[in-house]
Amino acid sequence: DAKTTQPNSMESNEEEPVHLPCNHSTISGTDYIHWYRQLPSQGPEYVIHGLTSNVNNRMASLAIAEDRKSSTLILHRATLRDAAVYYCILIVRAAGNKLTFGGGTRVLVKP
Amino acid sequence: NAGVTQTPKFQVLKTGQSMTLQCAQDMNHEYMSWYRQDPGMGLRLIHYSVGAGITDQGEVPNGYNVSRSTTEDFPLRLLSAAPSQTSVYFCASSHPEMNTEAFFGQGTRLTVV
Repeated sequence: DAKTTQPNSMESNEEEPVHLPCNHSTISGTDYIHWYRQLPSQGPEYVIHGLTSNVNNRMASLAIAEDRKSSTLILHRATLRDAAVYYCILIVRAAGNKLTFGGGTRVLVKP
Repeated sequence: NAGVTQTPKFQVLKTGQSMTLQCAQDMNHEYMSWYRQDPGMGLRLIHYSVGAGITDQGEVPNGYNVSRSTTEDFPLRLLSAAPSQTSVYFCASSHPEMNTEAFFGQGTRLTVV
């Protein structure tokens, strides 16, 4: 399975932006980059996904490097509710639509 | 719109007992999957299905059976529960295309004593 590498944890102050990096050096041209997050005691929820271009939605932005070997999830103004574990996942065509979760990045938001 | 519904939310089993974790979705998704999450860890794929009548093994399938007789339901059966199966179980569903989002249930917390 395609592997991603994320920092174990990050801290941010409330109302400040959070940049969550993800390395995926083995990505191939047809693999999608997905981000999910898991709030405490809840199931994962979808955040955003992209293929080549940067993407924005109401929750976050996704910046994808030109060589696609890394990406960054950007939370523009962190709130206490954004404290969660964030998972960067590659969707590999050969593996169907399976999600392979790594350890993720635990985000702590300080008031 | 209910999304993905898992039952029960909590369950305690004795070693050797069997049970079925239920998962139902009302979004007409072809793709459904089961994950387990041990404390402090990420989710690991147990079994998945790409449509009614089709199932396949994931990363940690031993001790679990699945079937998919309808598009809506994807039950997970524990044949003979073991303490190593104590975990939180999540069901997910999605369309099969790579650029679609997956929806997760709220989880079933299982303890095997």
